[in-house]
Amino acid sequence: QVQLVQSGAEVKNPGASVKVSCKASGYTFSGYYIHWVRQAPGQGLEWMGWINPNSGGTNYAQNFQGWVTMTRDTSISTAYMEVKRLTSDDTAVYYCARGDVQKSLDYWGQGTLVTVSS
Amino acid sequence: EIVLTQSPGTLSLSPGERATLSCRTSQSVSSSYLAWYQQKPGQAPRLLIYGASSRATGIPDRFSGSGSGTDFTLTISRLGPEDFAVYYCQQYGSSPVTFGQGTKLEIK
Repeated sequence: QVQLVQSGAEVKNPGASVKVSCKASGYTFSGYYIHWVRQAPGQGLEWMGWINPNSGGTNYAQNFQGWVTMTRDTSISTAYMEVKRLTSDDTAVYYCARGDVQKSLDYWGQGTLVTVSS
Repeated sequence: EIVLTQSPGTLSLSPGERATLSCRTSQSVSSSYLAWYQQKPGQAPRLLIYGASSRATGIPDRFSGSGSGTDFTLTISRLGPEDFAVYYCQQYGSSPVTFGQGTKLEIK
């Protein structure tokens, strides 16, 4: 069965960086994009961008360009999302999700809570 | 960027009733690339409907989606206690992908 398993919760100081991982199993990793979506406490869903695991190509939402980097390691079927220069506004749950051209985001990771606090 | 506006913000209904949730987009959504998700507290979103009207794997047939262009609807024909949650629409036909702000379906 398709599964996306994310890394555990993180607590970071303002100005630091965080890198969240998303390990895929149960399907061909290179065959589907991986999207990242974040959700601030009590708020809605915000799309951050996607990575094409096959080519490594990326597409970032404008709000995240320049300080978010999405990468992948196809040898271990894992996608990564790094956020630099963290502020308290980046406190959120970060989700990875499998992207299907027709079905949109059909499988989601369990989410990773990133807390930014001094 | 396509803006999605969901209404109502909160919907209060009783189990067994019919729920109708609306999603309007600021521009026409190409090829009906409109999806609906359900999210319960502390859980990841779950895909319910894609392509405006196709149910995702394992979704009960009491959930149905309809609409095209700029007006879309999610209908839950007979609410079960497990259906009370937040529902989001999303367009994925053009970049950037965008979500609506959500409709909270609560028990009356």
